[in-house]
Amino acid sequence: DVKVTQSSRYLVKRTGEKVFLECVQDMDHENMFWYRQDPGLGLRLIYFSYDVKMKEKGDIPEGYSVSREKKERFSLILESASTNQTSMYLCASSGRQGGQSYGYTFGSGTRLTVV
Amino acid sequence: DAKTTQPTSMDCAEGRAANLPCNHSTISGNEYVYWYRQIHSQGPQYIIHGLKNNETNEMASLIITEDRKSSTLILPHATLRDTAVYYCIVRAAGGTSYGKLTFGQGTILTVHP
Repeated sequence: DVKVTQSSRYLVKRTGEKVFLECVQDMDHENMFWYRQDPGLGLRLIYFSYDVKMKEKGDIPEGYSVSREKKERFSLILESASTNQTSMYLCASSGRQGGQSYGYTFGSGTRLTVV
Repeated sequence: DAKTTQPTSMDCAEGRAANLPCNHSTISGNEYVYWYRQIHSQGPQYIIHGLKNNETNEMASLIITEDRKSSTLILPHATLRDTAVYYCIVRAAGGTSYGKLTFGQGTILTVHP
C-alpha cells in the first residue's frame, strides 16, 4: 500500500559531496513537493513541481535544485552538501483536477546527516 | 493562505475525547481547513478536511464554527498511538498555489495511560 516512496531512510554524506534524494509516487499525481523539517522550524517547502520538467521555488530553495523528468519521480539535489543541510527531508505529492488539488500524501522521510 | 494559531501542547487521557482547537480568523471564503498529524520520525498523515460543514470520517470529526474563524479536531476515543503533532492548515483548493501546504508549529498531543 506504499504510495510515496523515498529512496533512503537514513543517509550520511560528507561536506562537499553531491547528494541525490529520490522520491517516487504511484498515484499518477501531478504535483510533487520537497520539504525539510528541523526542530523548532517545522516543515519548510524547498521546491515543488506541478508537471513533468516544471519546477517552482518554495520558501528555502538556496543550496538545492530539483529534477522531474518523469511524472512519478521527483529528485532533490544538493550540489555541494553542507552541514547546515543536515535535516529530515520529506517528499509529498497531490493530484489536480478541475483546478483543485486533492489527495496529499507524504513519504516516510529521509534523515540526512552531512559530516 | 490564511495563518492558523494552535496551542503548543495538550494532554489527554487514553479513552477520552481529544479536542484540538485551531484559530484561523483571516480565512477566506474559498479556503479549506485541513488537519494532518505527524507521529515521531514519520511523514505527515492526512486526517480530515472541510470547508464550512462539519465533517466526520473513521479517524476524527472536524467542527467548524459558523463564522469559519475557528475549528476543532475531535479524536473521539484517544489511544496512545494518537500521540503526535497535529497541524491545522488553511488553504485554497484551487488557484495557482498548486496544492502547496504551509505548516505551522502544530499542537503536540500527548495521550496518557
